[in-house]
Amino acid sequence: GAGVSQSPSNKVTEKGKDVELRCDPISGHTALYWYRQSLGQGLEFLIYFQGNSAPDKSGLPSDRFSAERTGGSVSTLTIQRTQQEDSAVYLCASSQAREETQYFGPGTRLLVL
Amino acid sequence: GQNIDQPTEMTATEGAIVQINCTYQTSGFNGLFWYQQHAGEAPTFLSYNVLDGLEEKGRFSSFLSRSKGYSYLLLKELQMKDSASYLCASMDSNYQLIWGAGTKLIIKP
Repeated sequence: GAGVSQSPSNKVTEKGKDVELRCDPISGHTALYWYRQSLGQGLEFLIYFQGNSAPDKSGLPSDRFSAERTGGSVSTLTIQRTQQEDSAVYLCASSQAREETQYFGPGTRLLVL
Repeated sequence: GQNIDQPTEMTATEGAIVQINCTYQTSGFNGLFWYQQHAGEAPTFLSYNVLDGLEEKGRFSSFLSRSKGYSYLLLKELQMKDSASYLCASMDSNYQLIWGAGTKLIIKP
């Protein structure tokens, strides 16, 4: 596709359940980012992938959060044992290189009950 | 620490001009980005400044002063569709974007 795609667009889950969020970046973009945006807040960096290098996980808020990127393309963000404070919009972005402009997907709206 | 400041909310009139300010303090600097975000949608790229001065792109212009750690986004001939949040982000020495909380722009007829 022409842009970054994410699925699901919305996810409602119960506290304590695990969730998986998917991101499909723009074809040819080597850099991929995950952000979290809470209502009325700025974007909070979570994790960054660049090609086959080890990811920058410095933004992950706890060890319940993990992400992988298979084959240098699609990425999955996994949140284990979800908590109510995990409720937010999870945004994925990709860029041709780290210093280049980031383009965002539509986001996954996660609600933990 | 790293910090981006921008006003929380601004109101302007259709057809008018509005200037949204942003001040930044980051560890190193590799450019200043502005994004537009309509409610419930993803941020979309508007502009990038790395050198001092004004960059004009249609109705939108962006200004940067590196010595002052200051940028602004200027929107001319405002239209109702410009009602959105405008996000300022500074790229630090590690090429990581540090984001402001966004300025919600309300356009009134």
